[in-house]
Amino acid sequence: GENVEQHPSTLSVQEGDSAVIKCTYSDSASNYFPWYKQELGKRPQLIIDIRSNVGEKKDQRIAVTLNKTAKHFSLHITETQPEDSAVYFCAASIGGIGNQFYFGTGTSLTVIP
Amino acid sequence: GAVVSQHPSWVICKSGTSVKIECRSLDFQATTMFWYRQFPKQSLMLMATSNEGSKATYEQGVEKDKFLINHASLTLSTLTVTSAHPEDSSFYICSASFQGGEEKLFFGSGTQLSVL
Repeated sequence: GENVEQHPSTLSVQEGDSAVIKCTYSDSASNYFPWYKQELGKRPQLIIDIRSNVGEKKDQRIAVTLNKTAKHFSLHITETQPEDSAVYFCAASIGGIGNQFYFGTGTSLTVIP
Repeated sequence: GAVVSQHPSWVICKSGTSVKIECRSLDFQATTMFWYRQFPKQSLMLMATSNEGSKATYEQGVEKDKFLINHASLTLSTLTVTSAHPEDSSFYICSASFQGGEEKLFFGSGTQLSVL
């Protein structure tokens, strides 16, 4: 099955700096890669996603890049703010109805004011 | 985005009792729902995949007789923790796959179970 690895497990940045979280996957059939933000005790919220036919996607301060050849994708947050502090999870899926999503182990991001 | 409702958000029960958790897709039909367990500061551990009208598919190591899953309709899946014990205390969260042109996964708000 699919194996998703995520690094780093913890990340601290100064407010205004950029944060980068990286994930790798093992199954070349995976074609959908979402990123979720989870605040303590709350549900994971989808913040951005990318499909395998696209190399990069951006939404304001958040961007995701995908390298299909190397089987890795990254989340980039620019101009970080304290409210960006949370745990971020990457995931991979081969898509289609009922197919599983495989999650990374999470990155705890702390933005220091 | 699509809304997934999960209840209760918090439950405290005595050891030996059973607890039912509901997961509803409010504005879409979910053929498939997933149930996860999450320990503090850890990732989401998939417990089972719930398909409407059929038996759930459990992940290795998850006791199907202890964690009963029912997906009776396209908008409702339930997880029943039977004869709960303190080691079952955890954060349980469901998700539903939304196929609205592009498949996306949305999560319920989670249920914190504490077994005394």
